[in-house]
Amino acid sequence: KNQVEQSPQSLIILEGKNCTLQCNYTVSPFSNLRWYKQDTGRGPVSLTIMTFSENTKSNGRYTATLDADTKQSSLHITASQLSDSASYICVVSEGSGTYKYIFGTGTRLKVLA
Amino acid sequence: NAGVTQTPKFQVLKTGQSMTLQCAQDMNHNSMYWYRQDPGMGLRLIYYSASEGTTDKGEVPNGYNVSRLNKREFSLRLESAAPSQTSVYFCASSEVMGGPSGTQYFGPGTRLLVL
Repeated sequence: KNQVEQSPQSLIILEGKNCTLQCNYTVSPFSNLRWYKQDTGRGPVSLTIMTFSENTKSNGRYTATLDADTKQSSLHITASQLSDSASYICVVSEGSGTYKYIFGTGTRLKVLA
Repeated sequence: NAGVTQTPKFQVLKTGQSMTLQCAQDMNHNSMYWYRQDPGMGLRLIYYSASEGTTDKGEVPNGYNVSRLNKREFSLRLESAAPSQTSVYFCASSEVMGGPSGTQYFGPGTRLLVL
């Protein structure tokens, strides 16, 4: 069964610190992987997209990595800010022609001053 | 550009009542989706429309119907609301379904409470 698992479920860090969120998937065949940020009470917003051949993709203080061999991705947040407090969702697209999106349950990040 | 808009923002229904959630996008996207989000669970796909004129069931379609009114609009109807349908509903759109051009853009959500 195609699945996307994220860890940790929740995380609390101090402002200015770095953190790394994990995403493991069993989706096959694989098309691409996206990370979304969802602020409380809002819809998710795309941060990055990575295809099979890409290992690293950055968007400001957000850096995503992908290891297609081990089917793992991570999202690294550098010098965290209070505004980084949100849920981060990993979404994998199937490459079978249906192109369905498989969503993880997200990691809830809280950044404290 | 407004992106993806949803109405209403919040709704309270009694069991058995019906309602339609409206969604519109102004990005000329081909594909549109309806999701529900419940605490502790990921977004779950209710219905989707890969292109104008087509609709397909997602993961949790029971109790819902959809209409792709035109390229811009995709509505979700609850014929007889049940407390289990209490949730936050998100509409999304993408240029195409899946692939590198398939980034989804989400609306602000509709919070539905069924008593």
